[in-house]
Amino acid sequence: GAVVSQHPSRVICKSGTSVKIECRSLDFQATTMFWYRQFPKQSLMLMATSNEGSKATYEQGVEKDKFLINHASLTLSTLTVTSAHPEDSSFYICSALFGGLKRDQPQHFGDGTRLSIL
Amino acid sequence: AQTVTQSQPEMSVQEAETVTLSCTYDTSESDYYLFWYKQPPSRQMILVIRQEAYKQQNATENRFSVNFQKAAKSFSLKISDSQLGDAAMYFCAYARGGATNKLIFGTGTLLAVQP
Repeated sequence: GAVVSQHPSRVICKSGTSVKIECRSLDFQATTMFWYRQFPKQSLMLMATSNEGSKATYEQGVEKDKFLINHASLTLSTLTVTSAHPEDSSFYICSALFGGLKRDQPQHFGDGTRLSIL
Repeated sequence: AQTVTQSQPEMSVQEAETVTLSCTYDTSESDYYLFWYKQPPSRQMILVIRQEAYKQQNATENRFSVNFQKAAKSFSLKISDSQLGDAAMYFCAYARGGATNKLIFGTGTLLAVQP
Protein backbone atom coordinates (compact mmCIF):
# COMPACT_ATOMS: atom_id res chain seq x y z
CA GLY A 1 0.00 0.00 0.00
CA ALA A 2 0.89 3.66 -0.07
CA VAL A 3 3.70 4.64 2.28
CA VAL A 4 4.81 7.99 3.61
CA SER A 5 8.30 8.28 5.04
CA GLN A 6 9.18 11.01 7.50
CA HIS A 7 12.74 11.82 8.50
CA PRO A 8 14.24 12.22 11.01
CA SER A 9 12.18 10.39 13.60
CA ARG A 10 13.77 12.28 16.45
CA VAL A 11 15.78 15.47 16.75
CA ILE A 12 17.41 17.00 19.79
CA CYS A 13 19.14 20.31 19.28
CA LYS A 14 20.09 23.56 20.91
CA SER A 15 17.94 26.65 21.01
CA GLY A 16 18.47 28.87 17.97
CA THR A 17 19.10 25.99 15.60
CA SER A 18 17.05 25.54 12.43
CA VAL A 19 15.69 22.04 11.90
CA LYS A 20 14.48 20.50 8.65
CA ILE A 21 11.97 17.64 8.56
CA GLU A 22 11.34 15.70 5.36
CA CYS A 23 8.14 14.01 4.27
CA ARG A 24 8.31 11.69 1.28
CA SER A 25 5.67 9.71 -0.51
CA LEU A 26 7.44 6.49 -1.46
CA ASP A 27 5.27 4.87 -4.07
CA PHE A 28 2.82 7.51 -5.20
CA GLN A 29 2.71 11.11 -6.28
CA ALA A 30 1.33 13.50 -3.72
CA THR A 31 0.27 16.88 -4.99
CA THR A 32 -0.92 17.79 -1.52
CA MET A 33 0.76 17.17 1.82
CA PHE A 34 -0.26 18.30 5.26
CA TRP A 35 1.80 19.20 8.31
CA TYR A 36 0.40 18.65 11.80
CA ARG A 37 1.66 19.37 15.27
CA GLN A 38 0.77 17.28 18.29
CA PHE A 39 1.47 18.22 21.90
CA PRO A 40 1.67 15.45 24.52
CA LYS A 41 -1.67 13.79 25.15
CA GLN A 42 -3.39 16.19 22.77
CA SER A 43 -4.89 16.03 19.34
CA LEU A 44 -3.31 16.79 16.00
CA MET A 45 -3.50 20.39 14.94
CA LEU A 46 -3.15 21.23 11.26
CA MET A 47 -0.36 23.71 10.70
CA ALA A 48 -0.34 24.06 6.93
CA THR A 49 -1.30 22.53 3.63
CA SER A 50 1.56 22.03 1.24
CA ASN A 51 0.86 22.05 -2.49
CA GLU A 52 3.46 21.01 -5.03
CA GLY A 53 4.79 23.94 -6.97
CA SER A 54 3.00 26.63 -5.02
CA LYS A 55 3.12 28.38 -1.67
CA ALA A 56 1.82 26.56 1.37
CA THR A 57 -1.44 27.57 2.98
CA TYR A 58 -1.00 28.18 6.70
CA GLU A 59 -3.65 27.83 9.36
CA GLN A 60 -4.55 30.81 11.49
CA GLY A 61 -2.01 31.44 14.22
CA VAL A 62 0.85 29.56 12.54
CA GLU A 63 3.86 31.75 11.78
CA LYS A 64 4.91 31.41 8.15
CA ASP A 65 8.40 32.72 8.81
CA LYS A 66 8.87 30.33 11.68
CA PHE A 67 7.67 27.21 9.93
CA LEU A 68 8.93 27.22 6.36
CA ILE A 69 7.34 24.69 4.05
CA ASN A 70 8.68 23.71 0.65
CA HIS A 71 6.98 21.23 -1.66
CA ALA A 72 9.37 21.18 -4.60
CA SER A 73 8.42 17.82 -6.09
CA LEU A 74 5.50 15.43 -6.19
CA THR A 75 7.15 13.16 -3.64
CA LEU A 76 8.79 15.52 -1.18
CA SER A 77 7.68 18.24 1.21
CA THR A 78 9.92 19.75 3.86
CA LEU A 79 9.14 21.64 7.05
CA THR A 80 11.91 23.83 8.44
CA VAL A 81 11.56 25.12 11.97
CA THR A 82 13.70 28.24 11.93
CA SER A 83 15.58 29.45 15.00
CA ALA A 84 13.88 26.83 17.12
CA HIS A 85 13.16 27.50 20.79
CA PRO A 86 12.00 25.19 23.60
CA GLU A 87 8.36 26.09 22.97
CA ASP A 88 8.72 24.60 19.48
CA SER A 89 9.36 21.20 21.03
CA SER A 90 6.58 18.92 19.88
CA PHE A 91 5.66 15.95 17.72
CA TYR A 92 5.34 16.88 14.05
CA ILE A 93 3.46 14.61 11.65
CA CYS A 94 3.06 14.87 7.91
CA SER A 95 0.50 13.26 5.68
CA ALA A 96 0.08 12.96 1.95
CA LEU A 97 -2.88 12.77 -0.35
CA PHE A 98 -2.68 10.18 -3.04
CA GLY A 99 -4.01 11.15 -6.43
CA GLY A 100 -4.29 14.89 -6.01
CA LEU A 101 -7.79 16.14 -6.55
CA LYS A 102 -9.75 12.92 -6.42
CA ARG A 103 -12.52 12.60 -3.89
CA ASP A 104 -12.56 9.89 -1.32
CA GLN A 105 -8.82 9.76 -0.91
CA PRO A 106 -7.64 9.18 2.64
CA GLN A 107 -4.52 10.80 3.95
CA HIS A 108 -1.48 8.59 4.47
CA PHE A 109 0.52 9.57 7.51
CA GLY A 110 4.22 9.50 8.21
CA ASP A 111 5.61 8.13 11.47
CA GLY A 112 6.19 11.58 12.90
CA THR A 113 9.20 13.51 14.17
CA ARG A 114 9.79 14.23 17.82
CA LEU A 115 11.54 17.57 18.09
CA SER A 116 13.19 18.50 21.38
CA ILE A 117 14.82 21.91 21.75
CA LEU A 118 17.15 22.31 24.69
CA ALA B 1 -16.42 26.49 11.78
CA GLN B 2 -16.47 22.75 11.98
CA THR B 3 -15.74 21.08 15.31
CA VAL B 4 -15.28 17.50 16.47
CA THR B 5 -15.96 16.45 20.06
CA GLN B 6 -14.94 13.27 21.81
CA SER B 7 -16.39 13.28 25.31
CA GLN B 8 -14.58 10.19 26.60
CA PRO B 9 -10.91 10.92 27.40
CA GLU B 10 -10.34 7.30 28.44
CA MET B 11 -12.12 3.99 28.03
CA SER B 12 -11.38 0.46 29.11
CA VAL B 13 -12.59 -2.87 27.75
CA GLN B 14 -11.96 -6.51 28.53
CA GLU B 15 -10.33 -8.59 25.88
CA ALA B 16 -12.94 -10.20 23.56
CA GLU B 17 -15.62 -7.75 24.70
CA THR B 18 -17.22 -4.91 22.73
CA VAL B 19 -16.64 -1.21 23.29
CA THR B 20 -18.16 1.90 21.74
CA LEU B 21 -16.31 5.20 21.40
CA SER B 22 -18.38 8.35 21.02
CA CYS B 23 -17.90 11.25 18.64
CA THR B 24 -20.08 14.22 17.77
CA TYR B 25 -19.40 16.92 15.25
CA ASP B 26 -20.79 20.21 14.14
CA THR B 27 -20.97 21.40 10.57
CA SER B 28 -23.25 23.28 8.24
CA GLU B 29 -21.88 21.43 5.22
CA SER B 30 -23.83 18.67 3.50
CA ASP B 31 -20.87 17.06 1.78
CA TYR B 32 -18.26 15.68 4.15
CA TYR B 33 -16.38 12.63 5.34
CA LEU B 34 -15.90 11.23 8.82
CA PHE B 35 -12.99 9.10 9.95
CA TRP B 36 -11.68 7.16 12.89
CA TYR B 37 -7.90 7.03 13.23
CA LYS B 38 -5.90 4.90 15.63
CA GLN B 39 -2.63 6.11 17.10
CA PRO B 40 -0.74 3.35 18.95
CA PRO B 41 2.29 4.10 21.16
CA SER B 42 4.42 4.11 18.01
CA ARG B 43 2.58 7.38 17.21
CA GLN B 44 1.80 6.49 13.58
CA MET B 45 -1.73 7.45 12.54
CA ILE B 46 -3.62 4.49 11.13
CA LEU B 47 -6.94 4.85 9.35
CA VAL B 48 -9.48 2.52 10.94
CA ILE B 49 -12.67 3.35 9.09
CA ARG B 50 -14.33 6.15 7.15
CA GLN B 51 -17.85 7.20 6.28
CA GLU B 52 -19.16 9.39 3.49
CA ALA B 53 -21.94 11.65 4.70
CA TYR B 54 -24.12 10.94 1.66
CA LYS B 55 -24.16 7.22 2.40
CA GLN B 56 -26.87 6.06 4.78
CA GLN B 57 -25.34 2.65 5.32
CA ASN B 58 -22.95 2.43 8.24
CA ALA B 59 -19.38 1.58 7.30
CA THR B 60 -17.82 -1.64 8.59
CA GLU B 61 -14.27 -2.97 8.49
CA ASN B 62 -13.96 -6.42 10.03
CA ARG B 63 -14.32 -5.92 13.81
CA PHE B 64 -14.82 -2.18 13.46
CA SER B 65 -18.14 -0.58 12.64
CA VAL B 66 -19.69 2.84 12.99
CA ASN B 67 -23.08 4.14 13.98
CA PHE B 68 -23.54 7.22 11.82
CA GLN B 69 -26.48 9.37 12.85
CA LYS B 70 -26.42 12.29 10.42
CA ALA B 71 -29.32 14.23 11.91
CA ALA B 72 -27.85 13.97 15.38
CA LYS B 73 -24.31 14.60 14.01
CA SER B 74 -23.05 11.57 15.83
CA PHE B 75 -20.40 9.12 14.64
CA SER B 76 -19.55 6.40 17.15
CA LEU B 77 -17.06 3.58 16.67
CA LYS B 78 -17.82 0.06 17.82
CA ILE B 79 -14.97 -2.39 18.31
CA SER B 80 -16.09 -6.00 18.60
CA ASP B 81 -14.06 -8.87 20.03
CA SER B 82 -11.48 -6.42 21.40
CA GLN B 83 -7.87 -7.48 21.16
CA LEU B 84 -4.80 -6.36 23.08
CA GLY B 85 -3.50 -4.75 19.90
CA ASP B 86 -6.50 -2.45 19.82
CA ALA B 87 -5.11 -0.50 22.77
CA ALA B 88 -4.33 2.95 21.43
CA MET B 89 -5.51 6.53 21.20
CA TYR B 90 -8.48 6.83 18.87
CA PHE B 91 -9.23 10.07 17.07
CA CYS B 92 -12.44 10.97 15.32
CA ALA B 93 -11.90 13.29 12.37
CA TYR B 94 -13.93 15.34 9.91
CA ALA B 95 -13.10 16.45 6.39
CA ARG B 96 -15.17 18.62 4.14
CA GLY B 97 -15.89 16.90 0.87
CA GLY B 98 -13.91 17.85 -2.20
CA ALA B 99 -10.30 18.44 -3.07
CA THR B 100 -8.76 19.83 0.08
CA ASN B 101 -9.44 16.94 2.46
CA LYS B 102 -8.27 19.02 5.40
CA LEU B 103 -8.81 16.95 8.54
CA ILE B 104 -10.20 18.34 11.79
CA PHE B 105 -9.51 16.02 14.70
CA GLY B 106 -11.27 15.45 17.99
CA THR B 107 -9.33 15.38 21.25
CA GLY B 108 -9.03 11.62 21.27
CA THR B 109 -10.06 8.68 23.45
CA LEU B 110 -7.40 6.52 25.05
CA LEU B 111 -8.55 2.91 24.91
CA ALA B 112 -7.09 0.34 27.29
CA VAL B 113 -7.70 -3.37 26.70
CA GLN B 114 -7.57 -5.56 29.79
CA PRO B 115 -6.44 -9.17 29.38
